[in-house]
Amino acid sequence: AQSVSQHNHHVILSEAASLELGCNYSYGGTVNLFWYVQYPGQHLQLLLKYFSGDPLVKGIKGFEAEFIKSKFSFNLRKPSVQWSDTAEYFCAVPRGSYQLTFGKGTKLSVIP
Amino acid sequence: ETGVTQSPTHLIKTRGQQVTLRCSSQSGHNTVSWYQQALGQGPQFIFQYYREEENGRGNFPPRFSGLQFPNYSSELNVNALELDDSALYLCASHREWNTEAFFGQGTRLTVV
Repeated sequence: AQSVSQHNHHVILSEAASLELGCNYSYGGTVNLFWYVQYPGQHLQLLLKYFSGDPLVKGIKGFEAEFIKSKFSFNLRKPSVQWSDTAEYFCAVPRGSYQLTFGKGTKLSVIP
Repeated sequence: ETGVTQSPTHLIKTRGQQVTLRCSSQSGHNTVSWYQQALGQGPQFIFQYYREEENGRGNFPPRFSGLQFPNYSSELNVNALELDDSALYLCASHREWNTEAFFGQGTRLTVV
């Protein structure tokens, strides 16, 4: 079965620092990958998605992710974080189409 | 705001009882998915309903059941509640079964 693993449980950064959150997937066939974000007290929302094509995917709020097939990775990046990026971030892979298998999540705390 | 509403927002039940959680999907959406998010974990897919029929199920026992109504709203029923059922239950609606999911804010269920 397809699965994803996120290595960082909690990341603490100062504002303006660069961010990279790791996500590795296990599946050898066609790969679709997602990053979701859950801000405190809010609903889960889609940050970005990869289906095919350009392995560098740009999402909302300045986030991007790079699909590296040889490393089975889909890491999330942002060059300069803001306090408002404090949230929990989930990598996900679909088992069907949008029937999602999520990683355990990475909590990001940004210190002003 | 996603237009997906869940009720109630919080609920406390006793072990062995039964519970019903409700979800109103976004206007124009015919598919609903349910997820369980235990503390410190990512959401886990329970099942999906498309046009009132179950369209996929995760690794959950039969005491987790669902319904979708002609207006595409949905219910999640859990029988014989166990302490481990304590979690945030998320509903997501889709325009079609293979399109992006939009999540509600969830129902926090506590089993004592």
